Amino acid sequence: AQSVTQLGSHVSVSEGALVLLRCNYSSSVPPYLFWYVQYPNQGLQLLLKYTSAATLVKGINGFEAEFKKSETSFHLTKPSAHMSDAAEYFCAVSEGTGRRALTFGSGTRLQVQP
Amino acid sequence: EAGVVQSPRYKIIEKKQPVAFWCNPISGHNTLYWYRQNLGQGPELLIRYENEEAVDDSQLPKDRFSAERLKGVDSTLKIQPAELGDSAVYLCASSFNFDTDTQYFGPGTRLTVL
Repeated sequence: AQSVTQLGSHVSVSEGALVLLRCNYSSSVPPYLFWYVQYPNQGLQLLLKYTSAATLVKGINGFEAEFKKSETSFHLTKPSAHMSDAAEYFCAVSEGTGRRALTFGSGTRLQVQP
Repeated sequence: EAGVVQSPRYKIIEKKQPVAFWCNPISGHNTLYWYRQNLGQGPELLIRYENEEAVDDSQLPKDRFSAERLKGVDSTLKIQPAELGDSAVYLCASSFNFDTDTQYFGPGTRLTVL
């Protein structure tokens, strides 16, 4: 069975500081990995996804994530936080082409301080 | 391009009452998903449709939940009777097909059961 652990339910950074949101996964087969963002009262929007191509994945809004198989991690980073980045971020895994739906982590709420 | 449409956005009912949620996916998307998102958690899959066929409903509480996707387009999720523990956000998502295609989420229906 696949699972996702997001370390830190709340992360607070200053505007302009590095954003680092942590995600570790477990999967019995090569995984596909995703980061979604959710703004208040809205649905989830895809930030980026890893599907067994390049291990460093660039997404929208300046975010990127690196797949590290040895660490079973897929951490999300952004060099410089903006106020508009404040939202809930979800990491998700699916077991490759096994035709399984996404399994989400419990989310990390990012606060950006002025 | 119109996104995934859900209605209503908010619903407040008393326990033991029935409730229904409606979802219209992005045009041309064959795969439709219903997720439930409890407060402070990530979404969890309830049911997945490919066209009009429910191909994964293992997490759907079938004693009180039902879903349909007539003609393989829009879908309805029903709860009868509702319980206090059903209070959550119900998210609908769609994708062109399963496998690695991006899932696009609607804004969700926030259900409160009193």
